[in-house]
Amino acid sequence: EVQLVDSGGDLVQPGGSLRLSCKSSEVSLRRYWMAWVRQAPGKGLEWVTSITEDGSTKFYVDSVKGRFAISTDSAENSVYLEMNSLRVEDTAVYFCTAVDGPWGQGTLVTVAS
Amino acid sequence: QAGLTQPPSVSKGLRQTATLTCTGRSNNVGHQGAVWLQQHQGHPPKVLSYRGDNRPSGISERFSASTSGNTFSLTISGLQPEDEADYYCSAWDRSLNAWVFGGGTKLTVL
Repeated sequence: EVQLVDSGGDLVQPGGSLRLSCKSSEVSLRRYWMAWVRQAPGKGLEWVTSITEDGSTKFYVDSVKGRFAISTDSAENSVYLEMNSLRVEDTAVYFCTAVDGPWGQGTLVTVAS
Repeated sequence: QAGLTQPPSVSKGLRQTATLTCTGRSNNVGHQGAVWLQQHQGHPPKVLSYRGDNRPSGISERFSASTSGNTFSLTISGLQPEDEADYYCSAWDRSLNAWVFGGGTKLTVL
């Protein structure tokens, strides 16, 4: 099973920023449209953002537009999620994933004062 | 309203067959079929099938997926205790340019 390693989750105050990372040592992430999907405590899965294989096109759920940014680094074989102006409702486990492909183990983002 | 509709819960007996359903509310959803995911408590989701009825390597043949119109189905045969989990469907909505998810079905194996 392909391993994706998510990291960067932390406790942050409302209005703060975080950068999540996702790396694979086993497969080129440029094979996939990569995405970040989140899961609030006790809730279902919610798609947040996707990026095409070549990084040229990005898509976002309305609630994070203008605040979050997805990017890739082919040299590092990594995908990133830059999160700014964080809100309490952004609290969730964030999974790096191809959705129909590999999933990371998730990293917890807690937004609280 | 966008998204996929799944029943919140299904209960079946050991060694029985369960069929989980997922209905798209738009004909822009799932032209490449749905993705079915299994999630055990405290673990990340695992792909059971993708693009219709493709199973990743290592996934048991007891799991099979199908599509009829805007309804996606996952059939689990010979239910085992370890099949007790939350199951999610997902599909790409080409009008929203977004992955949409169902709310999840909690499968209980009696």
